Amino acid sequence: KAGVTQTPRYLIKTRGQQVTLSCSPISGHRSVSWYQQTPGQGLQFLFEYFSETQRNKGNFPGRFSGRQFSNSRSEMNVSTLELGDSALYLCASSYRTSGIGTYEQYFGPGTRLTVT
Amino acid sequence: KQEVTQIPAALSVPEGENLVLNCSFTDSAIYNLQWFRQDPGKGLTSLLLIQSSQREQTSGRLNASLDKSSGRSTLYIAASQPGDSATYLCAVGQRGSDSNYQLIWGAGTKLIIKP
Repeated sequence: KAGVTQTPRYLIKTRGQQVTLSCSPISGHRSVSWYQQTPGQGLQFLFEYFSETQRNKGNFPGRFSGRQFSNSRSEMNVSTLELGDSALYLCASSYRTSGIGTYEQYFGPGTRLTVT
Repeated sequence: KQEVTQIPAALSVPEGENLVLNCSFTDSAIYNLQWFRQDPGKGLTSLLLIQSSQREQTSGRLNASLDKSSGRSTLYIAASQPGDSATYLCAVGQRGSDSNYQLIWGAGTKLIIKP
């Protein structure tokens, strides 16, 4: 079974631009969560999508948004990029049913975003 | 507010030694606890998941224990190898303020196994 895939793996953008990252979960997994990882703040939760609906959200500004498609693939968008958005963006999928998803999370390799 | 702490932040040991990584948390109302491994610049690999009703889980040379009442988990690595060098993170799964499940992360322990 293929793991979680993320594209692109590396990205360089300039301040003010926007960026879209993609995540394909493990087949059969319907929940996709996004995280930001930086040396200073560690891992921080962005949001979770399940059945094409955002089910859970962390404390990030509205510049960070996402969506999920009917095939469970998810995209994350960051508008008006700032230098502080430079980070490793990780997505994770899990086998979640309609209840609270307490299942094991499987992570992709991440997208390294550099904002200059 | 849940806080997850991992001590030490870094650890260097000779190859072949058995070692223990520690994770502590302040709120015992958790669903589960998960240990991950992260290699430099890479994503996270799930190592072990312990549900709140369990005391330990084992996978190969790894054994994770959970003591909810004391707010502690340990990851035991037997017969360490240079390939075990990585950062190890623990994450506590709990109900968030909006009643959804969320993971609260420790800062990680960077482990170096010297050949």
